Amino acid sequence: AQKVTQAQTEISVVEKEDVTLDCVYETRDTTYYLFWYKQPPSGELVFLIRRNSFDEQNEISGRYSWNFQKSTSSFNFTITASQVVDSAVYFCALNMDSNYQLIWGAGTKLIIKP
Amino acid sequence: KAGVTQTPRYLIKTRGQQVTLSCSPISGHRSVSWYQQTPGQGLQFLFEYFSETQRNKGNFPGRFSGRQFSNSRSEMNVSTLELGDSALYLCASSPGQANTEAFFGQGTRLTVV
Repeated sequence: AQKVTQAQTEISVVEKEDVTLDCVYETRDTTYYLFWYKQPPSGELVFLIRRNSFDEQNEISGRYSWNFQKSTSSFNFTITASQVVDSAVYFCALNMDSNYQLIWGAGTKLIIKP
Repeated sequence: KAGVTQTPRYLIKTRGQQVTLSCSPISGHRSVSWYQQTPGQGLQFLFEYFSETQRNKGNFPGRFSGRQFSNSRSEMNVSTLELGDSALYLCASSPGQANTEAFFGQGTRLTVV
């Protein structure tokens, strides 16, 4: 069965702190794709990153970085020097070639206090 | 390039009524997926259409249906509305392969009273 687990329901930090959002996935497929999306209060899901299962290279984009580890089935997301505008709900999702749907984690609500 | 457009943005319906939601994908995208988001159940997959064919369907009752037109626009219909159908309905547009990212509309907030 395919599954995505985001164990952290809510995280609250003070601005400028670093924060890591955890994502653990389950799939028997050897080829799969992992995604992170951000959902601000407006409701629209905003795409952040896609990672293919055969590419374990970590990625950095400005203050955002992603750590993909197949050995632990994790795809964690770190925000460095957080800002109030980073406050949102963040979702991790999984897709496979054998499927045509995104399988979602429950989301982590991130609150950045000024 | 225009994004994904969902109409209407907000809707209030009475139990027992039916509703139709619309989604216009990004130009050139042939896949449209629908998701229901509720505080209790999170994001749940409804169905996915590619070139007018339904390729996958989630675990929802038959009251939920959809279709896709030749211009890739999609509609979803919910008949005999129940209170539990109150949710944010999100439409996602993509080229159609699993290894491509989906882009979402702002959603339709449906309230059933």
